[in-house]
Amino acid sequence: KQEVTQIPAALSVPEGENLVLNCSFTDSAIYNLQWFRQDPGKGLTSLLLIQSSQREQTSGRLNASLDKSSGRSTLYIAASQPGDSATYLCAVQVRGAGGTSYGKLTFGQGTILTVHP
Amino acid sequence: NAGVMQNPRHLVRRRGQEARLRCSPMKGHSHVYWYRQLPEEGLKFMVYLQKENIIDESGMPKERFSAEFPKEGPSILRIQQVVRGDSAAYFCASSVQGGKLFFGSGTQLSVL
Repeated sequence: KQEVTQIPAALSVPEGENLVLNCSFTDSAIYNLQWFRQDPGKGLTSLLLIQSSQREQTSGRLNASLDKSSGRSTLYIAASQPGDSATYLCAVQVRGAGGTSYGKLTFGQGTILTVHP
Repeated sequence: NAGVMQNPRHLVRRRGQEARLRCSPMKGHSHVYWYRQLPEEGLKFMVYLQKENIIDESGMPKERFSAEFPKEGPSILRIQQVVRGDSAAYFCASSVQGGKLFFGSGTQLSVL
């Protein structure tokens, strides 16, 4: 059974700091890994998606890496801003029949990030 | 191109009543997924549907919960005889075959 763990559970940093969020998963037979952002009372926004054959993805100040063999991913946020405050969720997607993706995601508990001015 | 639409945003029910949550997938998406986020817990998969078919309902509670995705109209998650433990945020996501999931804003169900 796939389990996803995120550490730390909460993180509070001053504006401008670079930070790293960690995600680990127990079963390396994944199709892809996604990082989401969730704001209070709102839905999920996909930030980065890394296919199982890839090592990293970058978007603006965000960089996500994937080490499938060790079951780990990190989300790096550069020059953090108060607007980055949110819950960050890591989710893995299993491989379905025929090697295609299967939209059943297993989520971690999330990291609550607070960036203070 | 509207995103995944869920309604209502907030739903209040008394114990024993029925709750119906609706999800309209993105245009062109024929795959729908329901997830539940209980207080202090992560998002958990409930059910995966394609038009008129339930593909995987391994995350659905055995009783009182049902889901459908008819040929026409939105997907419906139905909870009969709600209890306080059903209070949660229910999220719907949609995709094309083998594609990335797009999530709606969720329905917050409160059971009094």
